[in-house]
Amino acid sequence: NAGVTQTPKFRVLKTGQSMTLLCAQDMNHEYMYWYRQDPGMGLRLIHYSVGEGTTAKGEVPDGYNVSRLKKQNFLLGLESAAPSQTSVYFCASSYSGGPDTQYFGPGTRLTVL
Amino acid sequence: AQSVTQLDSHVSVSEGTPVLLRCNYSSSYSPSLFWYVQHPNKGLQLLLKYTSAATLVKGINGFEAEFKKSETSFHLTKPSAHMSDAAEYFCVVSDRISGGYNKLIFGAGTRLAVHP
Repeated sequence: NAGVTQTPKFRVLKTGQSMTLLCAQDMNHEYMYWYRQDPGMGLRLIHYSVGEGTTAKGEVPDGYNVSRLKKQNFLLGLESAAPSQTSVYFCASSYSGGPDTQYFGPGTRLTVL
Repeated sequence: AQSVTQLDSHVSVSEGTPVLLRCNYSSSYSPSLFWYVQHPNKGLQLLLKYTSAATLVKGINGFEAEFKKSETSFHLTKPSAHMSDAAEYFCVVSDRISGGYNKLIFGAGTRLAVHP
């Protein structure tokens, strides 16, 4: 049981390049989330999904797109990377949408030059 | 809207001494509250959570937190710090939004340093 995994662990992009971050969970959770973590700001929700085929915007969705084609996977895309998107990205999943424990992946450190 | 404030950005203690990490919350209804820990270059791990049961919540690794409604606080404590407790700690409140979904709102974090 691997829990929540994220690919890749590190990435460096040039401004304007695109990339996709992959999150996978093997706990059969319905809910999945993408956060970004910046110094002194805790974690902020980018997008979330309440089930296969559904997505919704979080606090800071601009510049990102997501897809949930399979229940176990949640993809985060950057179409045209900007230096302001330099951050650590965390994926999480939970069984329900209530005040439920969210299980986090190990993170992806992204630098945009 | 819910919010959470962690009162100290950095806390430094000696090994074997008590730990106190302070958190105040703002909520228009009875909240669900969490403490998560993040060790260097790792993901976040749940320490404990409060969901309107007992006000004193016990978590992993000897940590506990007490929900005090009158003070709107949910401080994290541990009687005796260990070197392995050095990490960043996040206080989190759950906020209800449309469709029955609860969003987690994170505090800015408290970095705990433990000295020999």
